[in-house]
Amino acid sequence: GEDVEQSLFLSVREGDSSVINCTYTDSSSTYLYWYKQEPGAGLQLLTYIFSNMDMKQDQRLTVLLNKKDKHLSLRIADTQTGDSAIYFCAEAPNNNDMRFGAGTRLTVKP
Amino acid sequence: AAGVIQSPRHLIKEKRETATLKCYPIPRHDTVYWYQQGPGQDPQFLISFYEKMQSDKGSIPDRFSAQQFSDYHSELNMSSLELGDSALYFCASTIGGGDSPLHFGNGTRLTVT
Repeated sequence: GEDVEQSLFLSVREGDSSVINCTYTDSSSTYLYWYKQEPGAGLQLLTYIFSNMDMKQDQRLTVLLNKKDKHLSLRIADTQTGDSAIYFCAEAPNNNDMRFGAGTRLTVKP
Repeated sequence: AAGVIQSPRHLIKEKRETATLKCYPIPRHDTVYWYQQGPGQDPQFLISFYEKMQSDKGSIPDRFSAQQFSDYHSELNMSSLELGDSALYFCASTIGGGDSPLHFGNGTRLTVT
């Protein structure tokens, strides 16, 4: 995922907020995505944001998009141990194949 | 809600053997993507199909081929398997046109020994 960059690790305490950041390079994606992958499991679409939006909220999830800086973030409120997983940021340049970041491994400590 | 179905869930093959992975998209989805995820890696795009025609090609080796059938399911055929082909293979489906997100299956874990 050289075009999409994420920090590799994030550790938070249960009940705190988690913020996972991502930068991307191609501005042609109609949507930008967050996927969650638990150990040995598939990629679960968590949420996505239309490229013309600045923010999207979905229950405990808040996505912020700064199109000028090509920066995307995912905030998880009241983080739970079940949120421990790898979170992938993804873009789809020209609405073709999806490019993923390397994934951020979120560890939630009790 | 129906999801993307992949089979088999796990597959163990020896070097130089062949393997066929199957993907059944969400009903009414006409576009299928195949991705390969190596250990500790992010998913890498292999190939995609829209309305049974190849629409885009990524880092798919020449030893691999794929097709999409009239019922929109897709198969990834892998020949002359190498140890480095051991990975998780994901299929994703969407509605063509670029306005819908990709929905992924749970993947097939291929182990080549």
